[in-house]
Amino acid sequence: EVQLLESGGGLVQPGGSLRLSCAASGFTFSSYAMSWVRQAPGKGLEWVSSISGSGSNTYYADSVKGRFTISRDNAKNTLYLQMSSLRAEDTALYYCAKDVDPVPRGPSYFDYWGQGTLVTVSS
Amino acid sequence: QTVVTQEPSFSVSPGGTVTLTCGLSSGSVSTSYYPSWYQQTPGQAPRTLIYSTNTRSSGVPNRFSGSILGNKAALTITGAQADDECDYYCVLYMGSGIWVFGGGTKLTVL
Repeated sequence: EVQLLESGGGLVQPGGSLRLSCAASGFTFSSYAMSWVRQAPGKGLEWVSSISGSGSNTYYADSVKGRFTISRDNAKNTLYLQMSSLRAEDTALYYCAKDVDPVPRGPSYFDYWGQGTLVTVSS
Repeated sequence: QTVVTQEPSFSVSPGGTVTLTCGLSSGSVSTSYYPSWYQQTPGQAPRTLIYSTNTRSSGVPNRFSGSILGNKAALTITGAQADDECDYYCVLYMGSGIWVFGGGTKLTVL
């Protein structure tokens, strides 16, 4: 059974940093691209970032480029999102999601999602 | 900046048919954007319904179908049921590993 368990969320001040983790199990982690998708309170879904199965290729939404870094440790079956220079508008529930392919591409989609970890940016 | 558009809300009667759409602020949606659709009930993670325009995800009832209608992607629910009342999101692949979600449609069944 595929399981994705996010952690690391919490309250952080504007300008601060936070690292999210997503522990994966039930599939060959290194064979699939992974993504972070966020949802601000009462709002819609927003794709944040993706990483290829090997970790060689990373992709970012313009809203987080230069501030967030996605990475993975295939030996630990864990996905990360390092967030810095946080803003109030980064407040959201952050989901990790599994891709069906090793590299994000057109026919890809997100087949499994975690339950999310909440990040609140406030002073 | 590319904006993916969806109807903010829609209503359907139980047993009725509804078509939700997914467009672009500039241009037309085609199969080259590989539209996919996700269903989200309150407090839950999204669930995949449709991918690559019209392929149903495993376990999704065949009353959910995807297509291209005119210049938009479309999700049609035939024979709507009470538990179809939730939020629906489309997402388009923009190339170079970039995805853009629509703002979502809140579907009411009444």
